[in-house]
Amino acid sequence: DGGITQSPKYLFRKEGQNVTLSCEQNLNHDAMYWYRQDPGQGLRLIYYSQIVNDFQKGDIAEGYSVSREKKESFPLTVTSAQKNPTAFYLCASRTGVDTGELFFGEGSRLTVL
Amino acid sequence: AQTVTQSQPEMSVQEAETVTLSCTYDTSESDYYLFWYKQPPSRQMILVIRQEAYKQQNATENRFSVNFQKAAKSFSLKISDSQLGDAAMYFCAYRSARWRVEYGNKLVFGAGTILRVKS
Repeated sequence: DGGITQSPKYLFRKEGQNVTLSCEQNLNHDAMYWYRQDPGQGLRLIYYSQIVNDFQKGDIAEGYSVSREKKESFPLTVTSAQKNPTAFYLCASRTGVDTGELFFGEGSRLTVL
Repeated sequence: AQTVTQSQPEMSVQEAETVTLSCTYDTSESDYYLFWYKQPPSRQMILVIRQEAYKQQNATENRFSVNFQKAAKSFSLKISDSQLGDAAMYFCAYRSARWRVEYGNKLVFGAGTILRVKS
């Protein structure tokens, strides 16, 4: 079945540590996105990539980094520079056909201890 | 910048009844998409319904329909014959239809409305 796989589902880290969240899709989608979800704030865009080897900052990119070396993969690194990293992270992708909608993974819950 | 506002943090509905979730948005553009996404306790975001701004006819998907008022910049979701499985967080989202690098075809989300369904 085609879809988006995020891992791990739950992750704990100590302050000062970097952590990488995985996002893999087998939908052959060109564009991929990372969103952060906090209670009462909806989803906010961290980074997005329209094509391999290219990515752009979203609204809250500080303290995060990404790479897009393969079409299927768009990992997100939460660095120690991110002041408040505890959140739920959602990866999404979109086909090149402009239907507008995004397809989402099941998310990763990061907790900083 | 576009913004999406959902003014109802929580709503409740009796099973089999109808409920309407509100959404307003702000944009200077004329061509765009609007969406309602559902996020059940599993946290997976699921597309409920889509509306293209150039279409005057309101979108409908089975028990889900929208009331799209372009001039008022309003996009409400009506759920008819509510079921227990409809209980979830519902997000309204906006996306420009214009291909602009700075937009990245990103979705702009509202803060969400928690819908509780009572049996």
